[in-house]
Amino acid sequence: RKEVEQDPGPFNVPEGATVAFNCTYSNSASQSFFWYRQDCRKEPKLLMSVYSSGNEDGRFTAQLNRASQYISLLIRDSKLSDSATYLCVVNPSYGNNRLAFGKGNQVVVIP
Amino acid sequence: TAGITQAPTSQILAAGRSMTLRCTQDMRHNAMYWYRQDLGLGLRLIHYSNTAGTTGKGEVPDGYSVSRANTDDFPLTLASAVPSQTSVYFCASSDSAVTEAFFGQGTRLTVV
Repeated sequence: RKEVEQDPGPFNVPEGATVAFNCTYSNSASQSFFWYRQDCRKEPKLLMSVYSSGNEDGRFTAQLNRASQYISLLIRDSKLSDSATYLCVVNPSYGNNRLAFGKGNQVVVIP
Repeated sequence: TAGITQAPTSQILAAGRSMTLRCTQDMRHNAMYWYRQDLGLGLRLIHYSNTAGTTGKGEVPDGYSVSRANTDDFPLTLASAVPSQTSVYFCASSDSAVTEAFFGQGTRLTVV
Protein backbone atom coordinates (compact mmCIF):
# COMPACT_ATOMS: atom_id res chain seq x y z
CA ARG A 1 0.00 0.00 0.00
CA LYS A 2 1.29 3.43 -0.91
CA GLU A 3 2.09 5.75 1.97
CA VAL A 4 -0.13 8.49 0.55
CA GLU A 5 -2.93 7.97 -1.94
CA GLN A 6 -4.88 10.55 -3.89
CA ASP A 7 -7.39 10.36 -6.70
CA PRO A 8 -5.57 12.33 -9.43
CA GLY A 9 -8.73 13.60 -11.15
CA PRO A 10 -8.85 15.92 -13.04
CA PHE A 11 -11.47 17.78 -11.08
CA ASN A 12 -13.23 20.16 -13.47
CA VAL A 13 -14.79 22.88 -11.36
CA PRO A 14 -17.01 25.76 -12.55
CA GLU A 15 -15.72 29.13 -11.48
CA GLY A 16 -17.31 30.10 -8.17
CA ALA A 17 -18.10 26.53 -7.16
CA THR A 18 -16.74 24.54 -4.24
CA VAL A 19 -14.46 21.55 -4.68
CA ALA A 20 -13.23 19.12 -2.05
CA PHE A 21 -10.93 16.13 -2.14
CA ASN A 22 -9.30 13.74 0.27
CA CYS A 23 -6.11 11.83 0.53
CA THR A 24 -5.46 8.78 2.67
CA TYR A 25 -2.26 7.80 4.42
CA SER A 26 -1.18 4.37 5.54
CA ASN A 27 0.97 5.00 8.63
CA SER A 28 -1.16 5.69 11.68
CA ALA A 29 1.92 7.12 13.44
CA SER A 30 2.31 9.92 10.89
CA GLN A 31 3.01 13.21 12.59
CA SER A 32 2.84 16.06 10.09
CA PHE A 33 0.46 16.76 7.24
CA PHE A 34 0.50 19.36 4.51
CA TRP A 35 -1.13 20.44 1.28
CA TYR A 36 1.21 21.69 -1.43
CA ARG A 37 0.25 23.39 -4.65
CA GLN A 38 2.08 22.75 -7.91
CA ASP A 39 1.50 24.81 -11.03
CA CYS A 40 2.26 23.37 -14.44
CA ARG A 41 6.03 22.96 -14.98
CA LYS A 42 6.79 24.61 -11.65
CA GLU A 43 8.06 23.44 -8.30
CA PRO A 44 5.65 22.48 -5.47
CA LYS A 45 5.00 25.16 -2.87
CA LEU A 46 3.41 24.89 0.56
CA LEU A 47 -0.27 25.81 0.53
CA MET A 48 -1.06 25.04 4.15
CA SER A 49 -0.21 22.78 7.03
CA VAL A 50 -2.96 20.57 8.40
CA TYR A 51 -3.50 20.53 12.14
CA SER A 52 -5.54 18.15 14.26
CA SER A 53 -8.08 20.89 14.88
CA GLY A 54 -8.29 21.72 11.19
CA ASN A 55 -7.38 25.06 9.75
CA GLU A 56 -8.69 27.65 7.36
CA ASP A 57 -6.89 30.16 5.18
CA GLY A 58 -9.28 32.36 3.24
CA ARG A 59 -11.17 30.17 0.78
CA PHE A 60 -9.14 27.07 1.68
CA THR A 61 -10.01 24.71 4.52
CA ALA A 62 -7.99 21.66 5.53
CA GLN A 63 -9.12 18.90 7.86
CA LEU A 64 -7.39 15.91 9.44
CA ASN A 65 -9.21 12.72 10.41
CA ARG A 66 -6.79 10.53 12.34
CA ALA A 67 -9.33 7.78 13.03
CA SER A 68 -9.88 7.18 9.32
CA GLN A 69 -6.39 8.30 8.32
CA TYR A 70 -7.26 10.91 5.77
CA ILE A 71 -6.83 14.61 5.22
CA SER A 72 -9.05 16.82 3.13
CA LEU A 73 -8.87 20.10 1.30
CA LEU A 74 -11.86 22.23 0.43
CA ILE A 75 -11.72 25.22 -1.90
CA ARG A 76 -14.67 27.61 -1.82
CA ASP A 77 -15.62 30.15 -4.49
CA SER A 78 -13.11 28.70 -6.94
CA LYS A 79 -11.08 31.14 -9.01
CA LEU A 80 -9.44 30.51 -12.36
CA SER A 81 -6.12 31.02 -10.59
CA ASP A 82 -6.85 27.99 -8.39
CA SER A 83 -6.19 25.71 -11.36
CA ALA A 84 -3.23 23.61 -10.27
CA THR A 85 -2.29 20.24 -8.85
CA TYR A 86 -2.73 19.90 -5.10
CA LEU A 87 -0.31 17.49 -3.45
CA CYS A 88 -1.06 15.75 -0.18
CA VAL A 89 2.13 15.43 1.87
CA VAL A 90 2.74 13.40 5.01
CA ASN A 91 5.69 12.92 7.31
CA PRO A 92 5.16 9.23 7.97
CA SER A 93 7.81 8.64 10.62
CA TYR A 94 8.35 10.36 13.92
CA GLY A 95 11.85 11.79 14.20
CA ASN A 96 12.47 11.35 10.49
CA ASN A 97 12.58 14.30 8.12
CA ARG A 98 11.40 12.32 5.12
CA LEU A 99 8.19 13.47 3.43
CA ALA A 100 5.88 11.24 1.43
CA PHE A 101 3.94 12.80 -1.45
CA GLY A 102 0.69 11.79 -3.02
CA LYS A 103 0.37 11.92 -6.80
CA GLY A 104 -1.74 15.04 -6.55
CA ASN A 105 -5.28 16.15 -7.33
CA GLN A 106 -5.44 18.09 -10.58
CA VAL A 107 -7.96 20.92 -10.39
CA VAL A 108 -9.14 22.76 -13.48
CA VAL A 109 -11.38 25.74 -12.86
CA ILE A 110 -13.61 26.43 -15.84
CA PRO A 111 -14.96 29.91 -16.65
CA THR B 1 16.67 35.70 -1.18
CA ALA B 2 17.96 32.79 -3.25
CA GLY B 3 16.50 29.95 -1.19
CA ILE B 4 17.31 26.76 -3.04
CA THR B 5 18.91 26.70 -6.46
CA GLN B 6 19.29 23.87 -8.96
CA ALA B 7 21.51 23.68 -12.01
CA PRO B 8 21.16 23.10 -14.85
CA THR B 9 17.50 23.90 -15.52
CA SER B 10 17.44 21.45 -18.40
CA GLN B 11 19.78 19.00 -20.06
CA ILE B 12 19.83 16.47 -22.88
CA LEU B 13 22.21 13.65 -22.06
CA ALA B 14 23.42 10.72 -24.13
CA ALA B 15 22.78 7.30 -22.63
CA GLY B 16 25.82 5.94 -20.86
CA ARG B 17 27.18 9.36 -19.95
CA SER B 18 27.49 10.59 -16.41
CA MET B 19 26.06 13.79 -15.04
CA THR B 20 25.82 15.66 -11.76
CA LEU B 21 22.77 17.73 -10.92
CA ARG B 22 23.67 20.53 -8.55
CA CYS B 23 21.60 21.79 -5.63
CA THR B 24 22.49 24.58 -3.23
CA GLN B 25 20.50 26.13 -0.42
CA ASP B 26 21.27 29.19 1.68
CA MET B 27 18.70 28.65 4.43
CA ARG B 28 20.98 26.53 6.63
CA HIS B 29 18.47 23.69 6.53
CA ASN B 30 19.69 20.39 7.93
CA ALA B 31 17.62 18.15 5.67
CA MET B 32 17.85 17.95 1.90
CA TYR B 33 16.13 15.70 -0.62
CA TRP B 34 16.14 14.68 -4.25
CA TYR B 35 12.87 13.74 -5.94
CA ARG B 36 11.99 12.76 -9.46
CA GLN B 37 8.58 13.54 -10.89
CA ASP B 38 7.08 11.53 -13.70
CA LEU B 39 3.63 11.77 -15.25
CA GLY B 40 1.22 9.50 -13.43
CA LEU B 41 3.73 8.59 -10.73
CA GLY B 42 4.00 11.80 -8.76
CA LEU B 43 7.05 12.80 -6.74
CA ARG B 44 9.27 9.92 -5.72
CA LEU B 45 12.14 10.25 -3.28
CA ILE B 46 15.53 9.23 -4.66
CA HIS B 47 17.91 10.05 -1.81
CA TYR B 48 17.83 12.24 1.24
CA SER B 49 20.17 13.67 3.83
CA ASN B 50 19.13 14.53 7.38
CA THR B 51 22.33 16.43 8.10
CA ALA B 52 25.73 17.14 6.60
CA GLY B 53 27.80 13.98 6.35
CA THR B 54 24.84 11.58 6.24
CA THR B 55 22.70 10.31 3.39
CA GLY B 56 19.95 7.76 2.99
CA LYS B 57 18.14 5.91 0.23
CA GLY B 58 14.65 6.83 -0.75
CA GLU B 59 12.06 5.00 -2.80
CA VAL B 60 13.96 4.87 -6.12
CA PRO B 61 17.73 5.11 -5.41
CA ASP B 62 19.09 2.75 -8.08
CA GLY B 63 21.32 4.44 -10.64
CA TYR B 64 21.81 7.54 -8.49
CA SER B 65 24.30 8.60 -5.84
CA VAL B 66 24.51 11.63 -3.57
CA SER B 67 26.96 13.27 -1.22
CA ARG B 68 26.55 15.83 1.53
CA ALA B 69 29.96 17.30 2.28
CA ASN B 70 28.47 20.45 3.81
CA THR B 71 25.13 21.90 4.84
CA ASP B 72 24.51 23.91 1.68
CA ASP B 73 25.20 21.49 -1.18
CA PHE B 74 23.56 18.20 -2.13
CA PRO B 75 24.61 17.04 -5.61
CA LEU B 76 22.93 14.12 -7.36
CA THR B 77 25.04 12.01 -9.71
CA LEU B 78 23.95 9.67 -12.48
CA ALA B 79 26.96 7.45 -13.11
CA SER B 80 25.74 5.98 -16.40
CA ALA B 81 22.48 7.49 -17.58
CA VAL B 82 19.68 5.38 -19.06
CA PRO B 83 16.55 6.56 -20.90
CA SER B 84 14.33 5.61 -17.94
CA GLN B 85 16.05 8.36 -15.98
CA THR B 86 14.38 10.93 -18.21
CA SER B 87 12.39 12.96 -15.72
CA VAL B 88 12.04 16.25 -13.89
CA TYR B 89 14.29 16.31 -10.84
CA PHE B 90 13.50 18.45 -7.82
CA CYS B 91 15.82 19.21 -4.96
CA ALA B 92 14.27 20.30 -1.67
CA SER B 93 15.34 21.28 1.82
CA SER B 94 13.69 21.60 5.21
CA ASP B 95 14.59 22.30 8.79
CA SER B 96 14.70 19.41 11.22
CA ALA B 97 11.11 19.90 12.32
CA VAL B 98 9.84 19.53 8.75
CA THR B 99 7.58 22.50 9.07
CA GLU B 100 7.93 23.18 5.37
CA ALA B 101 10.00 21.82 2.50
CA PHE B 102 11.33 24.33 -0.01
CA PHE B 103 11.87 23.19 -3.57
CA GLY B 104 14.24 24.25 -6.27
CA GLN B 105 12.86 25.13 -9.68
CA GLY B 106 13.63 21.68 -11.05
CA THR B 107 15.95 20.15 -13.65
CA ARG B 108 14.42 18.67 -16.79
CA LEU B 109 16.63 15.81 -17.88
CA THR B 110 16.21 13.91 -21.12
CA VAL B 111 18.37 10.84 -21.68
CA VAL B 112 18.57 9.78 -25.32
